[in-house]
Amino acid sequence: NAGVTQTPKFQVLKTGQSMTLQCAQDMNHNSMYWYRQDPGMGLRLIYYSASEGTTDKGEVPNGYNVSRLNKREFSLRLESAAPSQTSVYFCASSERSGRRNTEAFFGQGTRLTVV
Amino acid sequence: KNQVEQSPQSLIILEGKNCTLQCNYTVSPFSNLRWYKQDTGRGPVSLTIMTFSENTKSNGRYTATLDADTKQSSLHITASQLSDSASYICVVSPRVMNTGFQKLVFGTGTRLLVSP
Repeated sequence: NAGVTQTPKFQVLKTGQSMTLQCAQDMNHNSMYWYRQDPGMGLRLIYYSASEGTTDKGEVPNGYNVSRLNKREFSLRLESAAPSQTSVYFCASSERSGRRNTEAFFGQGTRLTVV
Repeated sequence: KNQVEQSPQSLIILEGKNCTLQCNYTVSPFSNLRWYKQDTGRGPVSLTIMTFSENTKSNGRYTATLDADTKQSSLHITASQLSDSASYICVVSPRVMNTGFQKLVFGTGTRLLVSP
């Protein structure tokens, strides 16, 4: 099983450019998440989708949009990239948001640099 | 404010030695605590998950302990191997909200280097 697959792995953008980070999971999970990881900080939640057809803001949603395309895919879009969005982005999925001890599986990350 | 603090920030040990990583949290009410291993350039991978009623949980050479009264957890690594070099992240979940969403509060991690 591939688990959670993110594309691309690396990306360099110029300030103001837009791009979409793709995420797909093959575990038939209901819930999917986007996090960012910055040096000296724990992972922070950008957006999540508790189930197909729903999306909600996390801690740091400004500057981002998401689309839950179907049960497998959850994309993150930067409409106008800013240097503050330079980070490593992780997509994750879990069986069902709300169950105790629900295991979260993470993708390998997308390292984004905005210049 | 829900916080997770880990210590030490970084640690170097010799191959074959044991080590213990610490995690203190202020998350309340508490649902569960997880330890993740994150290799450089990779996503976090779960090692253990414990509820408030569990004191200890093992996964091979990894043993996690939890004291819900003092809000402390530790991760003990036995007979370390070079492949144990990674960041270890403590993650705490508050009790599930009415929306059903289970938030994860991440620590900043302990970077472990196992030296030959």
